[in-house]
Amino acid sequence: DSGVTQTPKHLITATGQRVTLRCSPRSGDLSVYWYQQSLDQGLQFLIQYYNGEERAKGNILERFSAQQFPDLHSELNLSSLELGDSALYFCASSDPGQEVTDTQYFGPGTRLTVL
Amino acid sequence: AQSVTQLDSHVSVSEGTPVLLRCNYSSSYSPSLFWYVQHPNKGLQLLLKYTSAATLVKGINGFEAEFKKSETTFPLTKPSAHMSDAAEYFCVVSDRGVGTASKLTFGTGTRLQVTL
Repeated sequence: DSGVTQTPKHLITATGQRVTLRCSPRSGDLSVYWYQQSLDQGLQFLIQYYNGEERAKGNILERFSAQQFPDLHSELNLSSLELGDSALYFCASSDPGQEVTDTQYFGPGTRLTVL
Repeated sequence: AQSVTQLDSHVSVSEGTPVLLRCNYSSSYSPSLFWYVQHPNKGLQLLLKYTSAATLVKGINGFEAEFKKSETTFPLTKPSAHMSDAAEYFCVVSDRGVGTASKLTFGTGTRLQVTL
């Protein structure tokens, strides 16, 4: 158990809908990262937040957005969903201020199925 | 930009024999490298990480990896495979940006099969 929690574990929805994925980082970690794992794209970095502010951006679609709240939990919002958005979404956390190389600890993931 | 190439999408070994999973990396500066493992229907677990302290890195479950700068490789090895090692293994490079910005770049993964 990494200490990172994600809810829900599974999500099934229809095209055009909007969903919210939630992540709670390890105690004390200030950074939260979101990744997407799909069969055709592999594991891709989406976005990083550090203490409530966006820090780094990857291959995140404009239909997707994220935020980190004062209690450090984070939410990933996916809107106008398409079939191709079906994937496993991982959240990770780290404390980059404590190490030269911050280690990211991953949650169990949320499996999104868009029908 | 940094990148990672895992040369084998699938490796099969017999239980009790050595494991070698290959990884080539590309980095414009001294990289931080990781190996993560993903068991079926599970999340990603950190096996080990290289952060320039020592070129030979020991991880969990008997795995180790050697940072070879001249070859730009970071192969994962284990002397004797166990059935429980069957999983997907990812070689990862960290792009530590300015300040606290950071992202991981994953290889495409190597599926390790362990047979009796």
